[in-house]
Amino acid sequence: GQSLEQPSEVTAVEGAIVQINCTYQTSGFYGLSWYQQHDGGAPTFLSYNALDGLEETGRFSSFLSRSDSYGYLLLQELQMKDSASYFCAVRPTDFNKFYFGSGTKLNVKP
Amino acid sequence: EAQVTQNPRYLITVTGKKLTVTCSQNMNHEYMSWYRQDPGLGLRQIYYSMNVEVTDKGDVPEGYKVSRKEKRNFPLILESPSPNQTSLYFCASSLKRRPQETQYFGPGTRLLVL
Repeated sequence: GQSLEQPSEVTAVEGAIVQINCTYQTSGFYGLSWYQQHDGGAPTFLSYNALDGLEETGRFSSFLSRSDSYGYLLLQELQMKDSASYFCAVRPTDFNKFYFGSGTKLNVKP
Repeated sequence: EAQVTQNPRYLITVTGKKLTVTCSQNMNHEYMSWYRQDPGLGLRQIYYSMNVEVTDKGDVPEGYKVSRKEKRNFPLILESPSPNQTSLYFCASSLKRRPQETQYFGPGTRLLVL
């Protein structure tokens, strides 16, 4: 089966930088996606890495290393509104299913 | 406005009473999917559909049915709900062409089965 591991919770202060890691065990996949979910809300798409390397979208960046079976989401200049849960996700090449990690709850403190 | 809608948003029912949760999208997406979200388990895919009349099982399909008679609609059916199906359910849609990775989620349906 597919497995994506994330830390369950991360705490950081406003203005800081935080990295949320995602390690995975899957034979092959198209790319690594990241979603944000605020309490009581729906997941919303943040970022996607089809290739190894860094993708930057404003304050958010995402990184993928297929050789290390590892990716991360980097959030810079943290704001209180970034307090949410963050999920990594993959779609294996031999399926049309999606697999999500269990999510990382980010707490941003003043 | 491009969106995925789900109804109802909240539902309390009793064991064995058939129910349907509707899902509709207005983005002309081919791919639609249902997920359940439980604490500590993230999002788990129940069923997905690549296009009209094409559906397939996700990781946790037991106790659920779906249909895709129209491109915009993808209802989730619980024929005989049980308490272990108490959960938060999300419908999602995306384009079929690769990378079909950007999924748009509905607002969620919170289901309690007594």
